[in-house]
Amino acid sequence: AQKITQTQPGMFVQEKEAVTLDCTYDTSDQSYGLFWYKQPSSGEMIFLIYQGSYDEQNATEGRYSLNFQKARKSANLVISASQLGDSAMYFCAMKGSGNTGKLIFGQGTTLQVKP
Amino acid sequence: NAGVTQTPKFQVLKTGQSMTLQCAQDMNHEYMSWYRQDPGMGLRLIHYSVGAGITDQGEVPNGYNVSRSTTEDFPLRLLSAAPSQTSVYFCASSMGGPITDTQYFGPGTRLTVL
Repeated sequence: AQKITQTQPGMFVQEKEAVTLDCTYDTSDQSYGLFWYKQPSSGEMIFLIYQGSYDEQNATEGRYSLNFQKARKSANLVISASQLGDSAMYFCAMKGSGNTGKLIFGQGTTLQVKP
Repeated sequence: NAGVTQTPKFQVLKTGQSMTLQCAQDMNHEYMSWYRQDPGMGLRLIHYSVGAGITDQGEVPNGYNVSRSTTEDFPLRLLSAAPSQTSVYFCASSMGGPITDTQYFGPGTRLTVL
């Protein structure tokens, strides 16, 4: 069975500093994808970044990067130069190799950026 | 291009009532899914569809029904509402295919069952 674990219920970071949100996963699939979504207080789910299990380089999207360590089964999200608008809930999710579109989500981490 | 739309945004039901949550997408996506979000539990998959006429159960399907008669629409039916179904419901869609497939979410429906 697939599982995503986010062990940090809440995090604080000072504005303009970098922050790492942890995500570990468990799967028996050889091929899988890892996703991060942002959920601001308004409630919508916003796609941030994707990493494939066979990608050799860590994914980056603007201020977001994914620190992918396959052997440790971790896919941590790094946000550089935090902004007040980064305050939100962040979810790590995984999709397995089955062709169904199903995502398995972690419990989420609430990030608060302090001015 | 509206993306994924959901109606209603808010709904209050009494125990035992039935209702349908609407979901539509205009991106010609094959895959559509319904998730529920409860505090401290992340999103859990209720039902999903890999194309018109094809649906299957997710992690928490009990008490819910779906059908997919068109590519665009994927309604979620609550057969007899229970307080345990109080939650935020998200519909998502994606093109389908390999692991790179990214799901895009609707704005959500906040449901309260009294």
